[in-house]
Formats: sequence, structure tokens, C-alpha cells
Amino acid sequence: GNSVTQMEGPVTLSEEAFLTINCTYTATGYPSLFWYVQYPGEGLQLLLKATKADDKGSNKGFEATYRKETTSFHLEKGSVQVSDSAVYFCALHMNTGFQKLVFGTGTRLLVSP
Amino acid sequence: EAGVAQSPRYKIIEKRQSVAFWCNPISGHATLYWYQQILGQGPKLLIQFQNNGVVDDSQLPKDRFSAERLKGVDSTLKIQPAKLEDSAVYLCASSSLESPLHFGNGTRLTVT
Repeated sequence: GNSVTQMEGPVTLSEEAFLTINCTYTATGYPSLFWYVQYPGEGLQLLLKATKADDKGSNKGFEATYRKETTSFHLEKGSVQVSDSAVYFCALHMNTGFQKLVFGTGTRLLVSP
Repeated sequence: EAGVAQSPRYKIIEKRQSVAFWCNPISGHATLYWYQQILGQGPKLLIQFQNNGVVDDSQLPKDRFSAERLKGVDSTLKIQPAKLEDSAVYLCASSSLESPLHFGNGTRLTVT
């Protein structure tokens, strides 16, 4: 079946450090890929997405590139802020039929001043 | 636009009791989802509605969970009777053909 694997957290960084959160996927076919962010006490918010190979999604300084050859969609940010502290979820859905997101287990990011 | 509304925010019940959660999706969104998020895990889809019809309920424990969306707008998810392992955050989301999923803030259920 379709699945998403994320690096385990927590990821602990100092402010202005470089961030990478790894995500790989398994899918039959060609999914769309997403990163969602969940701040404490809130629901999930879409951070960025990519719908086909080599697409780069970007938002709020975060980027991720859809790599079909490595089945990956790693999240990166050049300089993290304390306000980026949250849980980040990688997800996919197949581009057929109704949207149905399959999520990874999430990676907690803790940024200290 | 108003977001996905869920209530209550928190609920504490004893095992074997019943509980219900309510969700009002974004206006115009035909698709509504209920996800279960157990602590330390990613959200898992319980049920998906398209208007008032069920599209996918393959992971819904039907012996104790039920959900309805009678008028194709708001929805309720019920657990009867609850078990300890049902402790989780229950997330409602909605989407349309033109938009990705938008999530509510969730209902945190604690079963003691």
C-alpha cells in the first residue's frame, strides 16, 4: 500500500540553523506530496505541496523538491526561527479519485533562541 | 473564509461510556473527513464523505464508531462504547475540487 516514512524527532536546533527533515514515500503510481505543520493546540495547516516529479513547493522560507528517483520529499529551511517550533507531517495522496491523504508519523522541531 | 469548526475541544470520559463529536466544514466543501491522531502518530483516516455519501470507511471500527453527514454539511462522529485505546485527537477536515484539505483544531478525547 501507499505509505510515508519520516525521520524521527525531536529535531533540536538553535535559531538561524539550517533545517532538513527527511521524508520518503512508497506509492503505486505518481502521488502528490505535501508537508503539513501542526502548532501546539492547533489543527494541521498545509505548508507546501508538489504535484509531480521535480516540482518544488515553497512557503514561508520552507522548500521541498519532489524527487521521483529517490522517492523523497525532504523539507528544508535555511534559517529557522523559534516560531517554527511545531510538528511537521509529510503526506501523500494519489492523483486519482477523491483526495485521501496518507500521513507520516510526524517530526517534532524544537528551535531554541 | 471561516475555517473548519469542531466541538468540543476537549472531552474526558470513562471507558464504556459514549461520546459524540461535531464538525462544520468550510462552506461549499463537498468532501469531509474524520481522522484519528493518536499521540506520537500521524493522523489516520477513519471516514470520508462526499456530500452525504460515504466514500471510504475502511478503517472505521464499525463495531463502536459511527459517523453521519445527513444533509451533506455538518457531521457527527460517535463512539459507543469507548475504550482506553480510543484516547486521541479527532480531526475533521474538508476539501473541494479546487482546494486541498483544511483541518479543524480537533477534539482531544481522553478515556479513563
